[in-house]
Amino acid sequence: EIVLTQSPATLSLSPGERATLSCRASQNVNSYLAWYQQKPGQAPRLLIYDASNRATGIPARFSGSGSGTDFTLTISSLEPEDFAIYYCQQRSNWWTFGQGTKVEIK
Amino acid sequence: QITLKESGPTLVKPTQTLTLTCTFSGFSLSTSGVGVGWIRQPPGKALEWFALIYWDDDKRYSPSLKSRLTITKDTSKNQVVLTMTNMDPVDTATYYCARRLTVVPYYFDYWGQGTLVTVSS
Repeated sequence: EIVLTQSPATLSLSPGERATLSCRASQNVNSYLAWYQQKPGQAPRLLIYDASNRATGIPARFSGSGSGTDFTLTISSLEPEDFAIYYCQQRSNWWTFGQGTKVEIK
Repeated sequence: QITLKESGPTLVKPTQTLTLTCTFSGFSLSTSGVGVGWIRQPPGKALEWFALIYWDDDKRYSPSLKSRLTITKDTSKNQVVLTMTNMDPVDTATYYCARRLTVVPYYFDYWGQGTLVTVSS
């Protein structure tokens, strides 16, 4: 099983700041990695697919990068609605999720 | 408009079998490339994928839960049914169904609202 490790566990930032979230895979997943956003009481929402492609309707402030084992989700300027938990997910070998990074208001 | 909705019991006893139904609209599970999967999330914890069925009846199960799972589809009713045997308190979670395509965007792009299942005697 491919294990995804996200860091940090919690990111405390203010609106307008840049957020950088990391996801590391236990083995090579090529570019087969997605990012999701989840708000309390809601289902996850697909943000980025295959490392760097924004899903339909996702604002340009969200961007993804990386390949192999190291990936990054960047939110260029945090909006109030961006404070949530973010999960990465790989599809290289079955489907596994990371443990999540919480982006909270500082 | 694509929607999915999970239904089933909110409380099951240990050792019982859980049956969940995902009823969807806005797409067809007879269309090539379409799949519906199940993902669960224990309270305050991360997401875990565990079952998926495709338009051609290809079925995939998480190795760690495979022995306890059965997934089926009823294309005429736009439903996917999941059964999980021998439920345990550690299976307490919100259970989601979600659509997955074998083409862009490849991942779970539409999700149901989730249903909380508690396992307790």
